[in-house]
Amino acid sequence: DVKVTQSSRYLVKRTGEKVFLECVQDMDHENMFWYRQDPGLGLRLIYFSYDVKMKEKGDIPEGYSVSREKKERFSLILESASTNQTSMYLCASSLQASRYFGPGTRLTVT
Amino acid sequence: AQSVTQPDIHITVSEGASLELRCNYSYGATPYLFWYVQSPGQGLQLLLKYFSGDTLVQGIKGFEAEFKRSQSSFNLRKPSVHWSDAAEYFCAVGARSGGSNYKLTFGKGTLLTVNP
Repeated sequence: DVKVTQSSRYLVKRTGEKVFLECVQDMDHENMFWYRQDPGLGLRLIYFSYDVKMKEKGDIPEGYSVSREKKERFSLILESASTNQTSMYLCASSLQASRYFGPGTRLTVT
Repeated sequence: AQSVTQPDIHITVSEGASLELRCNYSYGATPYLFWYVQSPGQGLQLLLKYFSGDTLVQGIKGFEAEFKRSQSSFNLRKPSVHWSDAAEYFCAVGARSGGSNYKLTFGKGTLLTVNP
């Protein structure tokens, strides 16, 4: 079975803090993704990576950056957290078109 | 660009009843189609997928879905619902975007409530 893990299930941060969300997959997938999920808006793609050190912007990259130094690890960075970044963050890896998701990190910015 | 519509935001069924969740997509070519399930506070789990071939696809947990090209639909069905099926269900359509990359577009989800 594919296993995607995320470093935290719940996180509370203050406005202006730098926030790191970590994601690790154990299936040697080349592609990895970060989504955010909000009620009524569904899943929106923030960034994705198709190889180590490679990244592409998704639909809503503003306020975020990513890092992929190793194939199995993909990090999402909030440079200066704001309250409108309070959300559920989902990491995924993919084999061809199928996405495999981690359990999610519920981030609250106060 | 592809799009997905899940017409029903919330559905309530009784345990043991049959279930059909609707999904309509828009895409010019043959799409890759998926159904995912999300239990409260959890990530999304892949239920089933259609890439090509037999238009009736079997998935995990007793679910199936049928691809109907003429109706641009990929509806999810289960003959007898269990209380543990209460969750949110997402349909997604995928298209190749270059190399081994695929762009997935998700519907906004259908919340399923199961009454005892």
